[in-house]
Amino acid sequence: GAVVSQHPSRVICKSGTSVKIECRSLDFQATTMFWYRQFPKQSLMLMATSNEGSKATYEQGVEKDKFLINHASLTLSTLTVTSAHPEDSSFYICSARKQGKNYGYTFGSGTRLTVV
Amino acid sequence: QKEVEQNSGPLSVPEGAIASLNCTYSDRGSQSFFWYRQYSGKSPELIMFIYSNGDKEDGRFTAQLNKASQYVSLLIRDSQPSDSATYLCAVNMVTGGGNKLTFGTGTQLKVEL
Repeated sequence: GAVVSQHPSRVICKSGTSVKIECRSLDFQATTMFWYRQFPKQSLMLMATSNEGSKATYEQGVEKDKFLINHASLTLSTLTVTSAHPEDSSFYICSARKQGKNYGYTFGSGTRLTVV
Repeated sequence: QKEVEQNSGPLSVPEGAIASLNCTYSDRGSQSFFWYRQYSGKSPELIMFIYSNGDKEDGRFTAQLNKASQYVSLLIRDSQPSDSATYLCAVNMVTGGGNKLTFGTGTQLKVEL
């Protein structure tokens, strides 16, 4: 299989605080992981590509200083939303792909972030 | 022009019928194509993917790819109420930064009893 685990599933935080979201590949190694954000009734938008051992690649319009990504090992990537504001409230989802033509991109279960 | 386009729906089909979901993409260099199902409040789950022109079948699902027309579709046979969800088409594009999976806005499918 190709299982991706994401934690926490839900988090409520106060405006101005930081939140860390973890994404783990459980049964495979992932040199690359992807972080998406999804607002209600919209599709998934790629925020950044997380590269093990190097800097993340951010999509246009995504603030790298606000959304800190760390990919310190082949099985773990973290996304930290710094100084969160209500407009950051969204569904954050990570993804990774196991090597081999028989595998597609697998998604974590997502994190519902609510900033109050 | 959007990179990946889908009709947002909702597409309503009766139970037992065939549901046909369509997707077009703009990047001719795209090599791999994915269909995901997403229930409300949940993350997407992979249904199937296709690389080559033609049809690929997996159980009740058939993906069809036509690279010349830049068109990919998903057929769901014997539709069930549990198939009611949003179906996302995704295209793997190779950019300067590596592989990038781009999603359409999704088609909402409703299977009615």
